[in-house]
Amino acid sequence: KQEVTQIPAALSVPEGENLVLNCSFTDSAIYNLQWFRQDPGKGLTSLLLIQSSQREQTSGRLNASLDKSSGRSTLYIAASQPGDSATYLCASRNAGNNRKLIWGLGTSLAVNP
Amino acid sequence: DAGVTQSPTHLIKTRGQQVTLRCSPKSGHDTVSWYQQALGQGPQFIFQYYEEEERQRGNFPDRFSGHQYPNYSSELNVNALLLGDSALYLCASSSNIMEPGQGSHEQYFGPGTRLTVT
Repeated sequence: KQEVTQIPAALSVPEGENLVLNCSFTDSAIYNLQWFRQDPGKGLTSLLLIQSSQREQTSGRLNASLDKSSGRSTLYIAASQPGDSATYLCASRNAGNNRKLIWGLGTSLAVNP
Repeated sequence: DAGVTQSPTHLIKTRGQQVTLRCSPKSGHDTVSWYQQALGQGPQFIFQYYEEEERQRGNFPDRFSGHQYPNYSSELNVNALLLGDSALYLCASSSNIMEPGQGSHEQYFGPGTRLTVT
């Protein structure tokens, strides 16, 4: 049974710092892995999706990497800004005919001006 | 493209009542998934609909049921509401069609419906 863990649970950094959020999964037979952002009380915004055959994806100041063999994905945020403050969740989709996402509990990020 | 839309945005019900939540998928998407997210928790998968049938189901009781219409829109119904059903209910849509070179099965989420049961 796939389990997804995110570390740390919460993070507070000064503006301008580069930071890394971690996501680990127990079953390496994933189809893809997706990173989301969630603002308080709001829905989810997809940030990056990495297919199982890919090693990383980039969008602006965000870079997500995937290492299936070690069961890890990282989300790198460069030059953090106060507007980046939100909860970041990762979710994996297992290979095979299984379309549901397995979620971590998220990392709550606060970027202080 | 309006993206994924959900209605209503907020809802207050009392224990024992029934509720229906609605979702319209992103244009071009044919698959709708429903999730329940309690405060401070990650989303929990309820079920997924494709071709008007429930294809997968998470660990939720039969009080939770759904429907998908020919236009791919979907409803989530919850009967005999409990206090513990209070949560943000998220709808996500995706395409079952794999486009070459494109991210396949990427899910797009709506803003959610905040259900409060008193």
